[in-house]
Amino acid sequence: AQSVTQLDSHVSVSEGTPVLLRCNYSSSYSPSLFWYVQHPNKGLQLLLKYTSAATLVKGINGFEAEFKKSETSFHLTKPSAHMSDAAEYFCVVRYSGGYQKVTFGTGTKLQVIP
Amino acid sequence: EAQVTQNPRYLITVTGKKLTVTCSQNMNHEYMSWYRQDPGLGLRQIYYSMNVEVTDKGDVPEGYKVSRKEKRNFPLILESPSPNQTSLYFCASSLGREIYNEQFFGPGTRLTVL
Repeated sequence: AQSVTQLDSHVSVSEGTPVLLRCNYSSSYSPSLFWYVQHPNKGLQLLLKYTSAATLVKGINGFEAEFKKSETSFHLTKPSAHMSDAAEYFCVVRYSGGYQKVTFGTGTKLQVIP
Repeated sequence: EAQVTQNPRYLITVTGKKLTVTCSQNMNHEYMSWYRQDPGLGLRQIYYSMNVEVTDKGDVPEGYKVSRKEKRNFPLILESPSPNQTSLYFCASSLGREIYNEQFFGPGTRLTVL
């Protein structure tokens, strides 16, 4: 079964410092991986996606993620946190192989301290 | 404007009273899906549809029904709601069934079952 694990339920950083949100996936088949962001009381917005092209993916608002097959990871990073980055972030996986389910991680809440 | 719409946005009901949450997209997307979001659990897929008249179960289908009679609409039906179905529900669509397609989310429906 496909699965995705977000290793931290909460991450707290100071404004202007780097952000690292961790995501690991199960290694069956060839995945597509996504990061979505959900601001308080809002819907979900796509930050970036990996679809077997470049392993380093750049997204919106200065975020990027690197697909590492050997580590089955897809961690989300940003060099410098901004107050507006405070939100919940979800790592999402979809696999090829004949079925069309989508699996979300349990989410990481990012707090940005002024 | 390209969008996914859901109605109602908020609903309070009582146990056993049938209800329908509507979902509509104006992007001619093939793939549509329903999720529920619960604290600490992320989003879990209820049902998905790869095209008209083609639906399949996600990870938590018990107590829910769906239909896809038209490409643009994908209603979620709760025949006999119970308190454990109190949750935040999201509808989403994507262009096609290919796994690299990102999903576009509706604004959410907050359901309370008393």
